[in-house]
Amino acid sequence: DTAVSQTPKYLVTQMGNDKSIKCEQNLGHDTMYWYKQDSKKFLKIMFSYNNKELIINETVPNRFSPKSPDKAHLNLHINSLELGDSAVYFCASGKIAGGPYEQYFGPGTRLTVT
Amino acid sequence: GENVEQHPSTLSVQEGDSAVIKCTYSDSASNYFPWYKQELGKGPQLIIDIRSNVGEKKDQRIAVTLNKTAKHFSLHITETQPEDSAVYFCAAYNNDMRFGAGTRLTVKP
Repeated sequence: DTAVSQTPKYLVTQMGNDKSIKCEQNLGHDTMYWYKQDSKKFLKIMFSYNNKELIINETVPNRFSPKSPDKAHLNLHINSLELGDSAVYFCASGKIAGGPYEQYFGPGTRLTVT
Repeated sequence: GENVEQHPSTLSVQEGDSAVIKCTYSDSASNYFPWYKQELGKGPQLIIDIRSNVGEKKDQRIAVTLNKTAKHFSLHITETQPEDSAVYFCAAYNNDMRFGAGTRLTVKP
């Protein structure tokens, strides 16, 4: 029973392309997140979605856009990919109401832009 | 915003020894402090957490302590085993989660 799943696990693409990463959670959590982990392993939050509303949007280029069709899914769309976008992207889910509560991470998507 | 500092960045211990990782945070309103373990090629896995109304929490070989006054918290792993080798992250939560830079722990058999 996978709690937080992401697809694909690996993504290799060329500069300028548009790509999407999918995320699903079956934990019944009300909030989902996207994190970026750079080559130095630093984890930085990009977005969080609560009840289909964006509640955190760090200094992320507008080429990145989260899309949440329902509470169990938060997909990440990236337009006009750049070399600097190469990183590992993690989806996570957690609860906010009555919180703070723990966040659970997916296995990650390694994005390589050539 | 919150700033979380984590030390050391690398830690090597002999199997059976203890390992201690320390973190400090800047936002006194932070009220939840989880620790994550990340193995190679995997996502961070929550291993233990502590809330601001508690000073210490233990789960088998792992313990976490929190000093709210000094704004620092620590992870203690006793009787380390080679499978404890991984990157460990601390985090502090106040409306959003801020992570430390990570500690690469190596346990030598």
